[in-house]
Amino acid sequence: EAGVTQSPTHLIKTRGQQATLRCSPISGHTSVYWYQQALGLGLQFLLWYDEGEERNRGNFPPRFSGRQFPNYSSELNVNALELEDSALYLCASSFWLQPQHFGDGTRLSIL
Amino acid sequence: KNEVEQSPQNLTAQEGEFITINCSYSVGISALHWLQQHPGGGIVSLFMLSSGKKKHGRLIATINIQEKHSSLHITASHPRDSAVYICAVKETSGSRLTFGEGTQLTVNP
Repeated sequence: EAGVTQSPTHLIKTRGQQATLRCSPISGHTSVYWYQQALGLGLQFLLWYDEGEERNRGNFPPRFSGRQFPNYSSELNVNALELEDSALYLCASSFWLQPQHFGDGTRLSIL
Repeated sequence: KNEVEQSPQNLTAQEGEFITINCSYSVGISALHWLQQHPGGGIVSLFMLSSGKKKHGRLIATINIQEKHSSLHITASHPRDSAVYICAVKETSGSRLTFGEGTQLTVNP
């Protein structure tokens, strides 16, 4: 079966711009999670979507937002980009409380 | 204090050595994950544990719920085991995972 796919693989933006990251979950999975891994730091939980609704949110400013579509794919939007937003963004999917499966990530670089 | 703490942060071993990575947590959990992160960021889920011990090839994971502690062991380590190993817990109060800072393992030939 196809795994979790994320696009793009790499994204380069400048300060103040907006970035959109996309995630397609494994077929049958209804939950999508977003995580941020900044350089030198561990993974930090960003957002959890299930059945189209935001279920939980990590300690990130409102500049970080997202949505989940009826086909369960998801977008993560980051507005007013700052240098500190440079990181690897990982998406994971699961069926409700089952184990999460991770994508390969999108590396966002802010110049 | 982090809810999930791993030790050591960095570990260098010679090929063939037995390796242990430890994870301690302070919250009630329903499950604990061991993840392997390859250079470039791709993550592989190694184990999900709620009790006891699991073995897969040269990897063994154990968990002691009473002591809130888990270990990941690698027997007969190999340079291809070089990666970051991350412990993550699923709290009983929710679905999201809380991650440790990771252990950077380097196995030299």
